[in-house]
Amino acid sequence: AQKVTQAQTEISVVEKEDVTLDCVYETRDTTYYLFWYKQPPSGELVFLIRRNSFDEQNEISGRYSWNFQKSTSSFNFTITASQVVDSAVYFCALTGGYNKLIFGAGTRLAVHP
Amino acid sequence: DTGVSQDPRHKITKRGQNVTFRCDPISEHNRLYWYRQTLGQGPEFLTYFQNEAQLEKSRLLSDRFSAERPKGSFSTLEIQRTEQGDSAMYLCASSLARQRARTEAFFGQGTRLTVV
Repeated sequence: AQKVTQAQTEISVVEKEDVTLDCVYETRDTTYYLFWYKQPPSGELVFLIRRNSFDEQNEISGRYSWNFQKSTSSFNFTITASQVVDSAVYFCALTGGYNKLIFGAGTRLAVHP
Repeated sequence: DTGVSQDPRHKITKRGQNVTFRCDPISEHNRLYWYRQTLGQGPEFLTYFQNEAQLEKSRLLSDRFSAERPKGSFSTLEIQRTEQGDSAMYLCASSLARQRARTEAFFGQGTRLTVV
């Protein structure tokens, strides 16, 4: 069975703090993709990153970085120097058959001024 | 706007009524997905189209739900005899998957259904 677990339901930080959102996944597929999406209050899911199972290099994009560790089936997301605009719900997802996405329950991040 | 478009954005209906939602994917995207999201949860897969063919349906999609994608362009999701448990955000996503071109899924803003 395929499953994504985001154990942190809510995180609250003060602006400029670093914050890491955890994601653990389960799959029997040897080839798969992992994603992070952001859902601001407007409701639209905004794509942040895609990582395929053969590429374990960490990635950095501005204040965002991702740590993929196949050995622990984790794909964690770090926001450095958080800002109020980062407040949203963040979803980790895994591809299933036909590339449908299997989402975790999400982590609500609140960044306070 | 060339993103995924969903209509309506909000729908309030009485229990037992039928409702229909529309999704216009990004043009040239051959894959289209419907998801349902309830409060505090991540989106759950409902169904998937490759062009006009509906290739997979989730067990969440009861007999009261039907989806179509005529001509492989826009898609509709109909719920018959709505129940209060159908209240949720219905999200549509599209992506491109061809031999030499592949994109991630892009989501629309969703249709929020409230059944009273």
